[in-house]
Amino acid sequence: DVKVTQSSRYLVKRTGEKVFLECVQDMDHENMFWYRQDPGLGLRLIYFSYDVKMKEKGDIPEGYSVSREKKERFSLILESASTNQTSMYLCASSLWQGVGFTYEQYFGPGTRLTVT
Amino acid sequence: GQNIDQPTEMTATEGAIVQINCTYQTSGFNGLFWYQQHAGEAPTFLSYNVLDGLEEKGRFSSFLSRSKGYSYLLLKELQMKDSASYLCAVKDNDMRFGAGTRLTVKP
Repeated sequence: DVKVTQSSRYLVKRTGEKVFLECVQDMDHENMFWYRQDPGLGLRLIYFSYDVKMKEKGDIPEGYSVSREKKERFSLILESASTNQTSMYLCASSLWQGVGFTYEQYFGPGTRLTVT
Repeated sequence: GQNIDQPTEMTATEGAIVQINCTYQTSGFNGLFWYQQHAGEAPTFLSYNVLDGLEEKGRFSSFLSRSKGYSYLLLKELQMKDSASYLCAVKDNDMRFGAGTRLTVKP
């Protein structure tokens, strides 16, 4: 079974704090993703990575950065948390999607972040 | 623009059949996914369509028409545990998700 774990289920931070969200997968997947999920908006892609030390911006990268130093670990960093970053954050991983191949994503349980 | 549209909410009765529609407009197409997400849990993969037609997997089937930018998820013999949100997602260069359809199954 693929397992994707996230460091916290619930997190409360103050405005201006630096926040680290950690994600680890145990299936040797090349691709890893960070989404946020808000009511009525669905999942929106923040960043993704297709290899160690590689990263690509998604649809809403502003205010976020990422780090992928090891294949199994993908970190999302909120440089200076703001109240509009209160959301559910979901990490996902998948096998490498080569030309003509698309693989499903496996999701972690999510981190509900509240910024006060 | 890039749009993926699906109904916000649906209600159905235990034992019945329900069809959840998804229409999309994306710059490219490399497949369409359906995910199930129970409240407070992670989305889990249900189905994948890349060619036109119907893919059946037990009580769940998914249909795709690329020319119409249209897909549906068909759930048969509904059970109470099928109450969840169903997410339609299209892969172009990235994976793009619809807002989800919250299905409530009533006795």
